Amino acid sequence: GQNIDQPTEMTATEGAIVQINCTYQTSGFNGLFWYQQHAGEAPTFLSYNVLDGLEEKGRFSSFLSRSKGYSYLLLKELQMKDSASYLCAPIDSNYQLIWGAGTKLIIKP
Amino acid sequence: GAVVSQHPSRVICKSGTSVKIECRSLDFQATTMFWYRQFPKKSLMLMATSNEGSKATYEQGVEKDKFLINHASLTLSTLTVTSAHPEDSSFYICSATAGAGGPYEQYFGPGTRLTVT
Repeated sequence: GQNIDQPTEMTATEGAIVQINCTYQTSGFNGLFWYQQHAGEAPTFLSYNVLDGLEEKGRFSSFLSRSKGYSYLLLKELQMKDSASYLCAPIDSNYQLIWGAGTKLIIKP
Repeated sequence: GAVVSQHPSRVICKSGTSVKIECRSLDFQATTMFWYRQFPKKSLMLMATSNEGSKATYEQGVEKDKFLINHASLTLSTLTVTSAHPEDSSFYICSATAGAGGPYEQYFGPGTRLTVT
């Protein structure tokens, strides 16, 4: 079957760094998206990884290891507005995104 | 660029009535549109995938006669919840891609919160 595993909730301090891990099992693999979703709003795109390694985009970086079925999202210099859910969504062999429940990130002052 | 709108943003309807939700890609042609529903603190659940000009492909367990999807043009898809019941109350979100058959980024609409009384 297809499965996504992310921590349900994480807490971090404003200005700090946090890493959100994601392990996945899919039938086939065509890359992985990370989305951010604020409460009551639709998801917004953060990153896309298809090759192994780290993709850096400003304060956010995303890492992928295809052999391990593992990805992480790294958020630096945390701001209060980063409080949101972060969704890891791998893409299966049918190019369908597989969604997990996401990780709720709480930022404290 | 790549803006997707949804209308209405919130709707309250009585049990037994039908509700139509519109999803529009404002600045690109959406080859494929997706309809999701999401319950509080739960993951997005894909309901159906639609390509312009063809019938929607529904996910297992989604009643096609209850959730009518029409993708009439490259910029518009509609979801009609027919004979709505309180258990249909949910957050409905559409997304669109400019391509098909590939890992294209999905651009999401702002969502529609449906409450059935």
